[in-house]
Parts: sequence; structure tokens; C-alpha cells
Amino acid sequence: GQQVMQIPQYQHVQEGEDFTTYCNSSTTLSNIQWYKQRPGGHPVFLIQLVKSGEVKKQKRLTFQFGEAKKNSSLHITATQTTDVGTYFCAGHPGGSYIPTFGRGTSLIVHP
Amino acid sequence: EAEVAQSPRYKITEKSQAVAFWCDPISGHATLYWYRQILGQGPELLVQFQDESVVDDSQLPKDRFSAERLKGVDSTLKIQPAELGDSAMYLCASSLAGFYTEAFFGQGTRLTVV
Repeated sequence: GQQVMQIPQYQHVQEGEDFTTYCNSSTTLSNIQWYKQRPGGHPVFLIQLVKSGEVKKQKRLTFQFGEAKKNSSLHITATQTTDVGTYFCAGHPGGSYIPTFGRGTSLIVHP
Repeated sequence: EAEVAQSPRYKITEKSQAVAFWCDPISGHATLYWYRQILGQGPELLVQFQDESVVDDSQLPKDRFSAERLKGVDSTLKIQPAELGDSAMYLCASSLAGFYTEAFFGQGTRLTVV
């Protein structure tokens, strides 16, 4: 079936290092959304990308949507301890209105 | 700030018992989702409502799970009978009508079946 794969599953970094998580789909996505879930919390919406090749920035976070609309990435520059959490991508494969979440990447930041 | 309300926050139940979760979405949000999240995994959609109508429930185990949103506002998810494998976080989310709108999640109900 249609899946949204996300790698890596875990990432340990030293505070100040950069972090990237990747999201890949076997089919074209109509859009991609990114969510952050703090430990013990619930997913919180970060951003949505819709256009092929789109790049959006939020302070130290950079989000990209691939040209083929099958992959996306989230890059955090100079991580801080407040960035700790699990980052999920969610997309709508092939025009479906059913959102499909990736498994998430858990970011651990060591001070 | 408007929030999605869920209750209870935690529920421990014995297997074969019935359990129900309640969700009150953000006012004006026509779309309501129920997700199940197993520890270490992403949310898995169980059922999606548009107002009072089911948009998709293809992943809902209908032999034991049921969901309703009778007046198109709040919603209830029921499991009967509960099984050990149902232990998970059950998240409710809501969004404005239309495709590809951001979803606002509630705090979730942590279910433990013993």
C-alpha cells in the first residue's frame, strides 16, 4: 500500500550541531505537512508545503519539498535543547484526502 | 486559545471490557480525525469525519471499534471488547473543512489494557 517512509528513526546530536530528517513516498504527494511531538505531548503542526520544489523557513528550521513531490526534508541549524522531540511528516498520497504519517524521527540533543 | 478537548486522559481497562473515548473539536472545525499512536510510531488514522459523515474508516477494526459524530460536533470512539493489543495513545484531531488543512491535536487518551 501507499506509505510515507521517514529516516532516520533516531538522531543524537550535540547542542549546536545541525539535524536533518527525510521523508519519502512511493507515490506523488499532493502536499506535505510537518509536525513536532514533544516527549509526552501531542503532535503540533509546524508547516505545510504544496508546490514542487518549495522551500520554507522558520527561524532555524528549513523545510523542502522535492521537485517530484515524492520527498521532503526538515533541516534544523544549530540545534538547541528545546528542539528535542519527534518530528513527523504527513502527506496525502496521490490526491487522497486521507493523511498518512511517517514513523517520525526522534531528535535527542545533548547539552 | 482554542483546543481540542479529549477525555479521559488515561484509561486502564481489563481485556474484554468496553471502553469509550470522547473528543470535542475546535469550534467550527468540520473535519474530525481519530488516530491511534503506538509508542515509537506515527499516528495511524482510524476514522475521518466531515461534519457527521464518515469520510474514511478503512483502517478501523469494525468488529470491535465504532465511532460516531451524531451532531457533527463532538465524537465518541468505542472499543468493545478491548484486547491487549489495543493499548496505545488515541488521539483526536480537528481541522477546518477542505483538503490539506492543518490538523490540531488533542492531548490524547492513553489506553492500557490489562
